[in-house]
Amino acid sequence: GESVGLHLPTLSVQEGDNSIINCAYSNSASDYFIWYKQESGKGPQFIIDIRSNMDKRQGQRVTVLLNKTVKHLSLQIAATQPGDSAVYFCAEPPGGATNKLIFGTGTLLAVQP
Amino acid sequence: KAGVTQTPRYLIKTRGQQVTLSCSPISGHRSVSWYQQTPGQGLQFLFEYFSETQRNKGNFPGRFSGRQFSNSRSEMNVSTLELGDSALYLCASSLAGSNWETQYFGPGTRLLVL
Repeated sequence: GESVGLHLPTLSVQEGDNSIINCAYSNSASDYFIWYKQESGKGPQFIIDIRSNMDKRQGQRVTVLLNKTVKHLSLQIAATQPGDSAVYFCAEPPGGATNKLIFGTGTLLAVQP
Repeated sequence: KAGVTQTPRYLIKTRGQQVTLSCSPISGHRSVSWYQQTPGQGLQFLFEYFSETQRNKGNFPGRFSGRQFSNSRSEMNVSTLELGDSALYLCASSLAGSNWETQYFGPGTRLLVL
């Protein structure tokens, strides 16, 4: 079935620390995942994606890890900054000719100065 | 390049009324998707329009409807509003294909139903 989620609701970190945001999924056939960042008053913004033929993908200060065995993915943010404060969602498209996305419940990242 | 525009940004309605929300996609984008975001249910897909045709629909009652015009602008309508319809309504615009990095969300319309 369609299910992406199981986040912690809130993660509080100190500025400069690394942040790890987790997401679990239920469909073992899922083959593509996206992480989004939603700042207050804005819509979600694409951060990074990963396909199931990869275990790890790196971007600028962000890394996504995919563990297909336990159906888990994580977003790591290095040297977390106040501007990283936002809600983070994992999402996956269900497939087919559509731009539909299924979103997880989201994790609020609060960066303490 | 202008981003996705949603109007109005804020709206207050009473139960039983209807509401129409508008989304203007990025120039050249032909797909518009709508989502409802609430604290309890998170982001839920409403429907997607592509070239004026509904391509996909989420699990919402028939009170929720939408349409897309020839210029790709889209509207969604909610009739007979209920308190539970209070939410942030987001639209996202995309090019024809599913290139997620170039799908952009608007800032949303916050609807409060009293």
